[in-house]
Amino acid sequence: DGGITQSPKYLFRKEGQNVTLSCEQNLNHDAMYWYRQDPGQGLRLIYYSQIVNDFQKGDIAEGYSVSREKKESFPLTVTSAQKNPTAFYLCASRKGLAGDNYEQYFGPGTRLTVT
Amino acid sequence: QKEVEQNSGPLSVPEGAIASLNCTYSDRGSQSFFWYRQYSGKSPELIMFIYSNGDKEDGRFTAQLNKASQYVSLLIRDSQPSDSATYLCAVNTVTGGFKTIFGAGTRLFVKA
Repeated sequence: DGGITQSPKYLFRKEGQNVTLSCEQNLNHDAMYWYRQDPGQGLRLIYYSQIVNDFQKGDIAEGYSVSREKKESFPLTVTSAQKNPTAFYLCASRKGLAGDNYEQYFGPGTRLTVT
Repeated sequence: QKEVEQNSGPLSVPEGAIASLNCTYSDRGSQSFFWYRQYSGKSPELIMFIYSNGDKEDGRFTAQLNKASQYVSLLIRDSQPSDSATYLCAVNTVTGGFKTIFGAGTRLFVKA
């Protein structure tokens, strides 16, 4: 089956620890995205990547880092510098490049709780 | 002004009625528009996309686009309790660099 996988589904961490969220896609999509969603809120863009070994900051990149070493994979690290990391994290991918009309497809999400 | 605005709701309709969800956007150069449905605790799933002015129908769903008014809507006919969810409007914008902007979503409740 083609799709986007995120792991784990639930993640619990102590304050001050870095944590890495996994995102893998086998759709052969060029672009990948990370969003954060807080209760009752919309999606806020953290980072995105349109090609391997290149990525750009979104609207709320502070305290997060990413890598794109393979087309299929776009892991997100939530660092201890992120002041309020507890949230629902969504990974998405899209075929085509900037300017195309294609839609984004979302993974199932990772719910991160930091105490 | 937010780039993509939606009424947060909740919008409550009786089963079998038409639910009307609205979205306005600020970038006149936007070319493509999407509606996603998100159930509580789940990720968004695409239900409709529209590129041209006018109506686009898919089963019980109709998307309507008016670029002159910078307005896009989603109609759900014969609403079912299973349609109860948050509906996100998304717009591919071009000003300031190509990106997809999501609205905050409208919560819809369909009462049985």
